[in-house]
Amino acid sequence: AQRVTQPEKLLSVFKGAPVELKCNYSYSGSPELFWYVQYSRQRLQLLLRHISRESIKGFTADLNKGETSFHLKKPFAQEEDSAMYYCALRAAGGYQKVTFGTGTKLQVIP
Amino acid sequence: GAGVSQTPSNKVTEKGKYVELRCDPISGHTALYWYRQSLGQGPEFLIYFQGTGAADDSGLPNDRFFAVRPEGSVSTLKIQRTERGDSAVYLCASSLTWTSTDTQYFGPGTRLTVL
Repeated sequence: AQRVTQPEKLLSVFKGAPVELKCNYSYSGSPELFWYVQYSRQRLQLLLRHISRESIKGFTADLNKGETSFHLKKPFAQEEDSAMYYCALRAAGGYQKVTFGTGTKLQVIP
Repeated sequence: GAGVSQTPSNKVTEKGKYVELRCDPISGHTALYWYRQSLGQGPEFLIYFQGTGAADDSGLPNDRFFAVRPEGSVSTLKIQRTERGDSAVYLCASSLTWTSTDTQYFGPGTRLTVL
């Protein structure tokens, strides 16, 4: 079975402060990890995926297989980063369903 | 171009009634997914279509839930004998194919309330 844990329901940071949204997963095989974001009154959208090793809107995430983590980080939070963030996992190889975490609401205080 | 659309945006029904939720995927997308999101939770997978066929329906909670995609485009999620516990936002997503590199694009969701 695969499981995604996001321990924080709410994370409040001041503008300009570093951000780290935690994500831990449980899966015995080779996973693919994703971060999705939902801004207020907008639909859920993909932010980044670990296989791309990219930085989107200043956010990065590194897959740590030893700690089974995929934390989302940004060095300097912006007000427009306020949103709901979901970590998600899919087993690698072919079609596999996506399992989402419960989400963390990021609130950036001006 | 147009994104994934879902209708209705809100549906209020009474316990025991039948409801249908519609999803229009992005044109040309062969893969279509349904998720359910209960309050305070992340999206929960329900069913996946590749073309017209349901390739994975392991997430459907019970036999009251059924989904179709007869022409490989529009999909309808059908819920019989609705229960209060079915109240949730039902999300639809589509992707070009099922491969892992293809991004899933989500619709705005249908908020179902069962009284």
